Amino acid sequence: QVRLQESGPGLVKPSQTLTLTCAVSGGSITSAGSYWTWFRQHPGKGLEWIGYIYNSRTTYYSPSLKSRLTISVETSKNQFSLRLTSVTAADTAMYYCARDPNTGYSDYWGQGILVTVSS
Amino acid sequence: DIVMTQSPDALAVSLGARATINCKSSQSLLYNSDNKNYLAWYQQRPGHPPKLLIYWASVRASGVPDRFSGRGSGTDFTLTISSLQAEDVAVYYCQQYYSDPPYTFGQGTKLQIK
Repeated sequence: QVRLQESGPGLVKPSQTLTLTCAVSGGSITSAGSYWTWFRQHPGKGLEWIGYIYNSRTTYYSPSLKSRLTISVETSKNQFSLRLTSVTAADTAMYYCARDPNTGYSDYWGQGILVTVSS
Repeated sequence: DIVMTQSPDALAVSLGARATINCKSSQSLLYNSDNKNYLAWYQQRPGHPPKLLIYWASVRASGVPDRFSGRGSGTDFTLTISSLQAEDVAVYYCQQYYSDPPYTFGQGTKLQIK
């Protein structure tokens, strides 16, 4: 059973960089066929696919965030991270990490972390 | 991007009754080479992350009760709960994974007890 747990700051100032980490347990971050994915959900809204990383280095980002987004893997810690630069209030959301078994749907999800962008 | 539209936005159903949620895509999600519909359904209970219910439009995920079923093909899909239980109160989302990312979701359907 794969488990995922997000961590990071709950409050970020506008124009700063948001960094979130997703710790993976019950499976290896390097396992073939696992696409490690980030989603977000604005308050009271629906789900938004942000991006994923697979094979430890191949990434695919949402075009709407591509210029500000980096997803990376830290193999030694069995975790992956999201880095979003120049945040604004529009980036205030619940952020979820998840595992996509190379299909497009996500079968394991973290509990989520609420990030507020405010001065 | 493929646009996913769910109906209704909200639904109230009596305990033990049937609940049906619809999802329509702006283009076909049926991939001819494998004859699969690239559509998933998720349940999101209040204060919880999404939970995968159905994938390939009709395959129940591990541990999902058999009162949940998915049907449809091409552009029109349904999620049915055959006998509503109290723990089924949630928002339900459909998601397409036919196209290259970004994968897109419907706006959600809020299911409550009547």
